[in-house]
Amino acid sequence: GEDVEQSLFLSVREGDSSVINCTYTDSSSTYLYWYKQEPGAGLQLLTYIFSNMDMKQDQRLTVLLNKKDKHLSLRIADTQTGDSAIYFCAETEEYGNKLVFGAGTILRVKS
Amino acid sequence: EPEVTQTPSHQVTQMGQEVILRCVPISNHLYFYWYRQILGQKVEFLVSFYNNEISEKSEIFDDQFSVERPDGSNFTLKIRSTKLEDSAMYFCASSGLQGATDTQYFGPGTRLTVL
Repeated sequence: GEDVEQSLFLSVREGDSSVINCTYTDSSSTYLYWYKQEPGAGLQLLTYIFSNMDMKQDQRLTVLLNKKDKHLSLRIADTQTGDSAIYFCAETEEYGNKLVFGAGTILRVKS
Repeated sequence: EPEVTQTPSHQVTQMGQEVILRCVPISNHLYFYWYRQILGQKVEFLVSFYNNEISEKSEIFDDQFSVERPDGSNFTLKIRSTKLEDSAMYFCASSGLQGATDTQYFGPGTRLTVL
């Protein structure tokens, strides 16, 4: 079945770049997403990428997709303390279908 | 900005009791979902709902669970006879018209504690 894996923890200094990695198994994945969860809050959509794209940039966020290796990464430039949260990678085969989530990466930003 | 809302934020219940978790999806959305996250575990899909019927459900979504859209705005998840292992954060999500830019937007969640 589908599976999404992420590293569990990342610690960076304020101002540095953060790179959060994700791998997935389903070659039918069409849409890939990054969600952010702050303590006690819901899942906030950060960005998404379609499987026919290699890269997407949105302000401080850059998403890279290597479809051959089924590897997705989220780069946060100039990381701020407010970026401290859990970041979830998720994929779906088709629009309107279920999302399959990774376990989440805890990002800790040290000032 | 439109958002998905959920009530209550926290529900405590005794094992064997029925609970109803409520969600108000974004108003022009057509697809509705429930997910859950047991403490320390992954967010898991429960069920999706479209055109007034279940379109997909997971193995977790057994006969104890049901969903309903009783009116034009609410989307509910009912657990008929709660078990200890139903304790989790339950997230509602909705997505809009089919199209390349639409994605699932999540509510803040309801924390369900079964004693």
